[in-house]
Amino acid sequence: AQTVTQSQPEMSVQEAETVTLSCTYDTSESDYYLFWYKQPPSRQMILVIRQEAYKQQNATENRFSVNFQKAAKSFSLKISDSQLGDAAMYFCAYGAPNSGYALNFGKGTSLLVTP
Amino acid sequence: KAGVTQTPRYLIKTRGQQVTLSCSPISGHRSVSWYQQTPGQGLQFLFEYFSETQRNKGNFPGRFSGRQFSNSRSEMNVSTLELGDSALYLCASSSGPGQLDGEKLFFGSGTQLSVL
Repeated sequence: AQTVTQSQPEMSVQEAETVTLSCTYDTSESDYYLFWYKQPPSRQMILVIRQEAYKQQNATENRFSVNFQKAAKSFSLKISDSQLGDAAMYFCAYGAPNSGYALNFGKGTSLLVTP
Repeated sequence: KAGVTQTPRYLIKTRGQQVTLSCSPISGHRSVSWYQQTPGQGLQFLFEYFSETQRNKGNFPGRFSGRQFSNSRSEMNVSTLELGDSALYLCASSSGPGQLDGEKLFFGSGTQLSVL
């Protein structure tokens, strides 16, 4: 079974600084996808960024970027120029065609942004 | 365009009762997935429907069931409620068979179920 591990229950960053959230996963699949989701207090999960395993280039979305290390099965999220609105729970997730479109989520990292 | 709508937002039930939760996907979306979120277990996949057919089911007891209607709206039902069923139930929709094909998954704000 695929597992997703987020080793940092809580992280803190100052406004305008950079923070990196860690995620590791375990799989024997060669075709899979990785995601970072944000869950603010409104509870709605919002996709931040996605990475296809077959792509070597790291995905970027504005201030958000990932460091995808396939051999190490590591998928970290870097948030640059942190803003107060970035404060939320962040979940790393894994999905694969062979798992029927079901996502496996990590336990989450709570990000606090201080002024 | 309206987002994914889940009703009700909050629900309180007692052990042994049954409950039905509703999810209206974004207009035009045909795939609906359900997830359970608890502090202890985190987010866990329940099931996924596409064009009224259940294509995938997570590792939950048979007390958890769902269905999808021809208009893509979905319901999930939990019978004989247990204290451990207290959770946030999230619904998500996508336009195609699944977001792994490049389509984005949109989540609702969930239904918070409390079982007393």
